Amino acid sequence: NAGVTQTPKFQVLKTGQSMTLQCAQDMNHEYMSWYRQDPGMGLRLIHYSVGAGITDQGEVPNGYNVSRSTTEDFPLRLLSAAPSQTSVYFCASSYQDRDSPLHFGNGTRLTVT
Amino acid sequence: GESVGLHLPTLSVQEGDNSIINCAYSNSASDYFIWYKQESGKGPQFIIDIRSNMDKRQGQRVTVLLNKTVKHLSLQIAATQPGDSAVYFCAENIPDNAGNMLTFGGGTRLMVKP
Repeated sequence: NAGVTQTPKFQVLKTGQSMTLQCAQDMNHEYMSWYRQDPGMGLRLIHYSVGAGITDQGEVPNGYNVSRSTTEDFPLRLLSAAPSQTSVYFCASSYQDRDSPLHFGNGTRLTVT
Repeated sequence: GESVGLHLPTLSVQEGDNSIINCAYSNSASDYFIWYKQESGKGPQFIIDIRSNMDKRQGQRVTVLLNKTVKHLSLQIAATQPGDSAVYFCAENIPDNAGNMLTFGGGTRLMVKP
């Protein structure tokens, strides 16, 4: 049971480049989400999904797109990377129950130059 | 601004002592709280949770206390070990949040001295 798997672990992009951060979970969780973690800012929600075909914006969605074509996968797309998107990105999943704790992946460290 | 915060950004304790990490939350409607531990280079790891209809919950070497009167949450770690060194986050779930959206505090770094 792998839990939440994120790839890649590290990525360096130039300003304007695009890329997709991958996230997969094998726990049959309905709820999936993406957070970014910056020093002094804690974890901030980017986008989330309550099930396949359903996505919604979190606190800081600008510059990011998501899709949820399957229960297992929830990729995060950066359409045109900016230095302000330099951060550590975490994917998390849980059952849809409100009292179900989030399970996190080990993160993708992204640097935009 | 954040609705969940922490009093102490860094806590240094001696190995074997008990640790107490505090968290203040501002939304009185929050009904579910979680503590996470994050080690360097890893994602947050679930430690313990508590619902608002409880004021105390115990796990293995950890206890979470919830005081709804003053909107305060604490994590107590008994007999702190070097492996407990990490950043600890509290998080809250507000009833009108969609899905399982959590709001996180800024984190407290726990340093255990041998």
